[in-house]
Amino acid sequence: DAMVIQNPRYQVTQFGKPVTLSCSQTLNHNVMYWYQQKSSQAPKLLFHYYDKDFNNEADTPDNFQSRRPNTSFCFLDIRSPGLGDAAMYLCATSRGTRDRVNFGAGTRLSVL
Amino acid sequence: DQQVKQNSPSLSVQEGRISILNCDYTNSMFDYFLWYKKYPAEGPTFLISISSIKDKNEDGRFTVFLNKSAKHLSLHIVPSQPGDSAVYFCAASVAGGGADGLTFGKGTHLIIQP
Repeated sequence: DAMVIQNPRYQVTQFGKPVTLSCSQTLNHNVMYWYQQKSSQAPKLLFHYYDKDFNNEADTPDNFQSRRPNTSFCFLDIRSPGLGDAAMYLCATSRGTRDRVNFGAGTRLSVL
Repeated sequence: DQQVKQNSPSLSVQEGRISILNCDYTNSMFDYFLWYKKYPAEGPTFLISISSIKDKNEDGRFTVFLNKSAKHLSLHIVPSQPGDSAVYFCAASVAGGGADGLTFGKGTHLIIQP
């Protein structure tokens, strides 16, 4: 089945140690998103790619970076994770603005 | 400042009855609204959507109502079933070209009691 796949499902990292979360899609969608969701909070958009065009939300910390080497893959890099970065990270795709957003199962990040 | 608000963190409904989940928004530029359902340890899955040119959209047991003047939408589930127990997120997007992403509410945890 076409889907959005996130690896790993659970990631533990140490305070300040760089970590990369991965996302791939078989939907061939133009847009890929990264959302951060903390406990009992709304998912918050960090940034998205429309094809190769990168769009950063104004309040996304500089600590968060993203790469999209091709249509299928997108990575979230956290350069120096802090305790406050522990959250569920959701990757999502859509064909365009007017299409539904399809989510992966998420990666739960713990920072020790 | 929350632009999409779901003021009920949880809702308990008896099986077979109607579940009504509410959502309010403040940004008048929103013109497309969606409901997502999320089970524990899974990502949100799309449930139903509505464009601002409509005031109602129905899909099986699920109906979404939009009141633009009140900036309010609601999701009705009739009849409620045990498998409907999940967290429901209301989301909205802004008109215009490009991909803007979705603005989400905090979610409402729906519990269907047998």
